[in-house]
Amino acid sequence: AQSVTQPDIHITVSEGASLELRCNYSYGATPYLFWYVQSPGQGLQLLLKYFSGDTLVQGIKGFEAEFKRSQSSFNLRKPSVHWSDAAEYFCAVGTYNNNDMRFGAGTRLTVKP
Amino acid sequence: DAGVTQSPTHLIKTRGQQVTLRCSPKSGHDTVSWYQQALGQGPQFIFQYYEEEERQRGNFPDRFSGHQFPNYSSELNVNALLLGDSALYLCASSLGVEAFFGQGTRLTVV
Repeated sequence: AQSVTQPDIHITVSEGASLELRCNYSYGATPYLFWYVQSPGQGLQLLLKYFSGDTLVQGIKGFEAEFKRSQSSFNLRKPSVHWSDAAEYFCAVGTYNNNDMRFGAGTRLTVKP
Repeated sequence: DAGVTQSPTHLIKTRGQQVTLRCSPKSGHDTVSWYQQALGQGPQFIFQYYEEEERQRGNFPDRFSGHQFPNYSSELNVNALLLGDSALYLCASSLGVEAFFGQGTRLTVV
């Protein structure tokens, strides 16, 4: 069964600094991978997704992620963090029909002024 | 396009009661999935509905049931509420792989 691990529960970065959030997955076949962001009390907004092809994917709000099959990783990056990026970030792995999507426990991002 | 809409936004129920949560999918989406997100955790898959039938179910007891209507909207019902059912309940609609989430219903069981 597929599973997702986000090793970092909480990360603090300074505004303008670069960011990398880690995600490791376990899945028997080619995974469909997602990063979502959640502001307090809100639903989930899709940042980016990987299905196949180019292993570096671009998303909204200046985020990108790189799929590394050899490391079973799909880390999220942003070159310069803005205060508005403070939120909870979730990595998820899914199937073609998107049923039984598995989420990681999330990483809470705090941005220092 | 209104996106995925859920109602109500917040709800307080007493242990042992029953609750019904509602979800209207994004226009054109035929699949609805429900997730439970406990405080400080990632969403957990409850079940998915497609063509008015439950297509797959996560590790949740039978107290959790659902329904999908011909217009693709969906309901989540929880019977015999427990304190541990307090959570944010998220609905996601999809047409294929990408899921779009609603804002969720915050259920508090007291």
